[in-house]
Amino acid sequence: GAVVSQHPSWVICKSGTSVKIECRSLDFQATTMFWYRQFPKQSLMLMATSNEGSKATYEQGVEKDKFLINHASLTLSTLTVTSAHPEDSSFYICSARSRVTYEQYFGPGTRLTVT
Amino acid sequence: KQEVTQIPAALSVPEGENLVLNCSFTDSAIYNLQWFRQDPGKGLTSLLLIQSSQREQTSGRLNASLDKSSGRSTLYIAASQPGDSATYLCAVELQGGSEKLVFGKGTKLTVNP
Repeated sequence: GAVVSQHPSWVICKSGTSVKIECRSLDFQATTMFWYRQFPKQSLMLMATSNEGSKATYEQGVEKDKFLINHASLTLSTLTVTSAHPEDSSFYICSARSRVTYEQYFGPGTRLTVT
Repeated sequence: KQEVTQIPAALSVPEGENLVLNCSFTDSAIYNLQWFRQDPGKGLTSLLLIQSSQREQTSGRLNASLDKSSGRSTLYIAASQPGDSATYLCAVELQGGSEKLVFGKGTKLTVNP
């Protein structure tokens, strides 16, 4: 089946530093990748939609200069949280949409803690 | 703006019981509806996807129904097992090819042995 990986699975960083999270589709090519954020006991909230070779589309209220997204290939998208602050601590999940089946497959998530 | 609501927020049942989880959405113009399972601290596993033209989908002990006109979906779990304990999320994909999913907050299910 289609597998999406995320790296790292968890990260702790100091306030003011930047953190990069990778999302890879391991056995399929993705037309589109999505980045979500999930706070405790809350729903997943879409942050941005990323298409290979073009700029990401951000949802209302998401700062594009703070959450940098690079979709370098059909199997890799990265999310960089710049100048992280404690309020950025959250669970970040990516999904990838298959070029063949059009289904979205989710990664295992990355737990970010900013101290 | 599409909003997805799931009731109840939490449910605890004894093993073997049949149960129903509910999902409602405010805008019936959806492309499809999907049920996911999320284990603590983990990503999402897709359980069932119902296209807007379909009424239900079944997979093993799971059955999901969709009533688009009334904005409702149910997930029926038969003969529940402790391994079914997880949070179940409902999500709708907006019509128009946006590919965006709008999620509910989920129902946390605990099946007691």
